[in-house]
Amino acid sequence: KAGVTQTPRYLIKTRGQQVTLSCSPISGHRSVSWYQQTPGQGLQFLFEYFSETQRNKGNFPGRFSGRQFSNSRSEMNVSTLELGDSALYLCASSPSGMWLYEQYFGPGTRLTVT
Amino acid sequence: AQTVTQSQPEMSVQEAETVTLSCTYDTSESNYYLFWYKQPPSRQMILVIRQEAYKQQNATENRFSVNFQKAAKSFSLKISDSQLGDTAMYFCAFMGDQTGANNLFFGTGTRLTVIP
Repeated sequence: KAGVTQTPRYLIKTRGQQVTLSCSPISGHRSVSWYQQTPGQGLQFLFEYFSETQRNKGNFPGRFSGRQFSNSRSEMNVSTLELGDSALYLCASSPSGMWLYEQYFGPGTRLTVT
Repeated sequence: AQTVTQSQPEMSVQEAETVTLSCTYDTSESNYYLFWYKQPPSRQMILVIRQEAYKQQNATENRFSVNFQKAAKSFSLKISDSQLGDTAMYFCAFMGDQTGANNLFFGTGTRLTVIP
């Protein structure tokens, strides 16, 4: 099976712009989670989608949003970008909604905000 | 709130030697899982090993094993016969049934370097 894919891999945006990142989970996986990784804050959970519904959300402002499509692919959107949004954004998929299943991570999208 | 603490920002080990990475956590939940993830320089996060809190037996995966001390809330990772490919950031992570499915709390990581 193909692994989790994320596009684009690298992105440079200007402060105030918005950005959309995409994640394609492993075939058959229905849950997609998003994480932000920065040197200062480490890895932080953004949100999780399962069967097109957001089931869980981390402590991030409303500028961060996401959605999941019927084929389980997921997108996350950040509006009104700030310098502090520069980070590696990771998505992870898992086979079902059961919390005991492990997550498989994608390679990440490196977002730089100038 | 859940917290995961990794007190060793960097460690190094000679090839073929054994190294132990430390992790402590704090939670009030009774049902949870603990994980060690590896992030090599290429950045893809890979699951190394996981431990169910209700299991007393320590998990083992080939050269990787854990020492899970539930009362002390300690979850260390032992890497035996270290290999150059083990060079990576290692993250300890927690997932609890109350905090929600697929919501991992990560420690700050330990950068491990295997020296030839």
